[in-house]
Amino acid sequence: GENVEQHPSTLSVQEGDSAVIKCTYSDSASNYFPWYKQELGKGPQLIIDIRSNVGEKKDQRIAVTLNKTAKHFSLHITETQPEDSAVYFCAAMGGGSQGNLIFGKGTKLSVKP
Amino acid sequence: DAMVIQNPRYQVTQFGKPVTLSCSQTLNHNVMYWYQQKSSQAPKLLFHYYDKDFNNEADTPDNFQSRRPNTSFCFLDIRSPGLGDAAMYLCATSRGQGRNSPLHFGNGTRLTVT
Repeated sequence: GENVEQHPSTLSVQEGDSAVIKCTYSDSASNYFPWYKQELGKGPQLIIDIRSNVGEKKDQRIAVTLNKTAKHFSLHITETQPEDSAVYFCAAMGGGSQGNLIFGKGTKLSVKP
Repeated sequence: DAMVIQNPRYQVTQFGKPVTLSCSQTLNHNVMYWYQQKSSQAPKLLFHYYDKDFNNEADTPDNFQSRRPNTSFCFLDIRSPGLGDAAMYLCATSRGQGRNSPLHFGNGTRLTVT
């Protein structure tokens, strides 16, 4: 089955700096890669996703890149703000009809003002 | 405008005392999921319903059951909670399955077992 590795587990940046979180997956049939942001006491919220027919996607300060050959994908946050502080989860969805998401273990991002 | 609503937000139960967590959705999505999330860990899928079809994950303990009486509601029943079942329980929905159906999560119910 699918296995998703996520690094780093914690990340601390200064406000205004960029943050990068990286994930690798094992199942070459996986075709959908969402990123979720989870704030304290709340459920995960989808912030951006990418499908396997696209190499990069950007939404304002957030971008995701996908390298299918290497089976890794990354989240890039530019001009970080204190409100970006949260736990970020990457996930991968297999190519079968069930399409269950497999999550990485999460990255706790702290943005210091 | 909460679209996946979980009640209660916090639930305390005693060791071995059955407990039910509830989830409702206003999205009219076909699929509803229950995830367990322990502290500082990723959400772990317990089971899901596609309409009325129940799909249990292979490693979900028999202690966990679920009911979906209609499209809008789904319940998680823990028959005999143990201390190890203390966790955040997340409900999620999706229109269908596959890469064109993103998951929408509720804010979870934090379960404490005393």
